[in-house]
Amino acid sequence: DAEITQSPRHKITETGRQVTLACHQTWNHNNMFWYRQDLGHGLRLIHYSYGVQDTNKGEVSDGYSVSRSNTEDLPLTLESAASSQTSVYFCASSQGTPDQPQHFGDGTRLSIL
Amino acid sequence: QKEVEQNSGPLSVPEGAIASLNCTYSDRGSQSFFWYRQYSGKSPELIMSIYSNGDKEDGRFTAQLNKASQYVSLLIRDSQPSDSATYLCAVKGTADGLTFGKGTHLIIQP
Repeated sequence: DAEITQSPRHKITETGRQVTLACHQTWNHNNMFWYRQDLGHGLRLIHYSYGVQDTNKGEVSDGYSVSRSNTEDLPLTLESAASSQTSVYFCASSQGTPDQPQHFGDGTRLSIL
Repeated sequence: QKEVEQNSGPLSVPEGAIASLNCTYSDRGSQSFFWYRQYSGKSPELIMSIYSNGDKEDGRFTAQLNKASQYVSLLIRDSQPSDSATYLCAVKGTADGLTFGKGTHLIIQP
């Protein structure tokens, strides 16, 4: 079955380190998204991509970057991890126009000490 | 800042009753609306999508949309304990990506 997988599922790191979270989908979806979920804020959009070589900033993009070199993968990089980036991160994908429903991966719980 | 508002709950409903979850949104240009269910420690799971005014039914779930009032709701009939979860309302407005409400925590009492 097609799916969307995130890795690692859990990670603990230190402030100032670079961290990369992986997202891989086998649905051949054009659209991929990264969200973070925090208590009191709900899900917020970090970055997104509508196709290979396309990347865009979302609502909370400061301190994060993404790259899209193929259809299947959209890795999220924290350039210099900060404690405020401790969160649960979800990757999602969708096909077709941006108004189509998004399907989510299982998430990565990231703790920055 | 476009917003999606939900009552955080908890909303407690007896087993077998109808659970009614509500959501309002601020972006009048919104065209697509989604309900996701999220169990504790899990990822959001799509339950319903709705694009036109009126009702859309899928099994025990009914989504209702009123664009004039900027209001979308989810009804769960014959509520089961397994329906206990947080329900997220998500809206595709004029901005890219989805805007999510903070969710309503639903508890189905056996």
